[in-house]
Amino acid sequence: RKEVEQDPGPFNVPEGATVAFNCTYSNSASQSFFWYRQDCRKEPKLLMSVYSSGNEDGRFTAQLNRASQYISLLIRDSKLSDSATYLCVSRAGGTSYGKLTFGQGTILTVHP
Amino acid sequence: NAGVMQNPRHLVRRRGQEARLRCSPMKGHSHVYWYRQLPEEGLKFMVYLQKENIIDESGMPKERFSAEFPKEGPSILRIQQVVRGDSAAYFCASSRDGNTEAFFGQGTRLTVV
Repeated sequence: RKEVEQDPGPFNVPEGATVAFNCTYSNSASQSFFWYRQDCRKEPKLLMSVYSSGNEDGRFTAQLNRASQYISLLIRDSKLSDSATYLCVSRAGGTSYGKLTFGQGTILTVHP
Repeated sequence: NAGVMQNPRHLVRRRGQEARLRCSPMKGHSHVYWYRQLPEEGLKFMVYLQKENIIDESGMPKERFSAEFPKEGPSILRIQQVVRGDSAAYFCASSRDGNTEAFFGQGTRLTVV
């Protein structure tokens, strides 16, 4: 079983739609979580950090359920510019050790 | 505050040559991570370093690959005797510590001909 698993999609949604991505992690020692987005042939860019039960930033909401070892990302009012691959990341350990483990990514395409 | 800097952005090497990829972390960051990404694939962890120490190299191929992060200067990922299969994008990321956000450089695209 992969340490971080995501639905690869692709998700094809119209502008203005709400879309949710799910991610599960297997390492119960994971302490922090992140969502990144990656555009084609570019570097991953940090979208959100999730340290406690959740985080909200404008149209983006991330939720964490430690009991179920599950993280989600909700995007409201999708824009064309949201089209990208979304990467779920878990991080084990503490201050001195923080290996980042990436999921395979979920592809989102927002169409007019 | 400059971001994570990687150079070169593009590197072409003939089979059998050596490739050296450099990564300068953000100011104040002492943790560095290297990842490899093949076309249409996800990010594969290679190595995790702190200043002068390799913390986790479980993703590094046993031969031809090495990494360092000296007290002064950038982190270096070194690939000896490159083969066509080494062609990929190599990304470096840095963070202040093991809990805080990590930021990526723009990557080095290695092409082996």
